[in-house]
Order: sequence, then structure tokens, then C-alpha cells
Amino acid sequence: DTEVTQTPKHLVMGMTNKKSLKCEQHMGHRAMYWYKQKAKKPPELMFVYSYEKLSINESVPSRFSPECPNSSLLNLHLHALQPEDSALYLCASSHLAPATEAFFGQGTRLTVV
Amino acid sequence: QKEVEQNSGPLSVPEGAIASLNCTYSDRGSQSFFWYRQYSGKSPELIMFIYSNGDKEDGRFTAQLNKASQYVSLLIRDSQPSDSATYLCAVNPNFGNEKLTFGTGTRLTIIP
Repeated sequence: DTEVTQTPKHLVMGMTNKKSLKCEQHMGHRAMYWYKQKAKKPPELMFVYSYEKLSINESVPSRFSPECPNSSLLNLHLHALQPEDSALYLCASSHLAPATEAFFGQGTRLTVV
Repeated sequence: QKEVEQNSGPLSVPEGAIASLNCTYSDRGSQSFFWYRQYSGKSPELIMFIYSNGDKEDGRFTAQLNKASQYVSLLIRDSQPSDSATYLCAVNPNFGNEKLTFGTGTRLTIIP
């Protein structure tokens, strides 16, 4: 089973709203990731969690707040977003090195209005 | 210099022919290499990974890695219209660092 599940699939939010994106995997992976992808661009790494600890933050604005409650779950809390934050948000998971093949969820299409 | 480079295409290949996708990377110490397929509006799907020099085959797909030339390629044999997608090359620079760097992707179109 190589499934990473993300909810919701689509989200429209206002600039003053607070919302959360959720991600779940049951593959026993100990690394989980958030990526952001704009149209016709490759995914851009935002955060990496290893063993439920934040290991990489790619200088992401504080209006994005990640959380890893346990080894299977990853959340991304959103607050005071801007229209330019509209994008496809992708969660992925992998084993730790050396077998770092990452599997992506289906993504959340976020629109900020 | 970009860390991972791909020809953005579009690359058009007749149905049944071999599609050849190429990727170069700048970090000579890179250890692991991945090919993802992404259909329009969908998330990336892992189709091949390779860690050692040489060829790795899986069905109609073959990944080729040449670390001396810092080059990784993906061959798709007997191309099908369903292979039409954007193919993303991704590189993990170091073991112990779970950071994937993606190329910009090559858009492949298989012509029936």
C-alpha cells in the first residue's frame, strides 16, 4: 500500500480565515513533507519532518505552520494567507535514508480569495 | 546554474516508439535519483528510482544513471498515449538528507 491521503481535495479560503490541511500515511514512513506547486512549475519543498521533528524549514512565511502529531499524521495550519499562496499543496512521505523514495498524496488545491 | 536541469519540451514521440527523457544535476555528491510522472492537475507519481550507476529496468521503463557525467535518463519503450504527461526528475543530494530537488519537468506527448 503506497497511499498518502490528503484532505480536503479543494479549499477556498478568505485572507482572514484559519484553515488546516491534513495528511495521513500508514506505510511506516518516518519522514513526511509539505510541498507547494504552482501551475507549470515543479514542486517546491516547504517543510520536512523526520521522526516527528521538524528537520527542514525552507524559509517558509509564518502564516504556514506545520504540525506532526504522530508518525502517521501531518498537518499544515494556514492563517492570513495571500492570494499568491493559491497553489496545489502536496504532502509526501518516505522512509529515511538510504531508501528515500517519496510518495505523494493527491494534493489539496487551495484558492485564497 | 540550476541544480537539476531538464529540457522542458514539449517532446513529441509516435506511439510505439521509444521516448528518451534526460536530466543533468550539478551536485557531484548526489546519491539517489527519481523519476516522477505528473498528469495535468494531478500529483506526482513515482515511477522509477535508481541509486547505482548503470541501468535499471521496470516493465516498459528503464532508468539510466551515469554519476561521472552527472546524468540520469528515463527510457519509455512502446510508448502509449497514456504516457503523455510531465516527467519530473528529482535528486536527493545526500544520504541522511531527505530533501528532494526537482527539475522543471519535461512535457511528453505521445502521438497516436
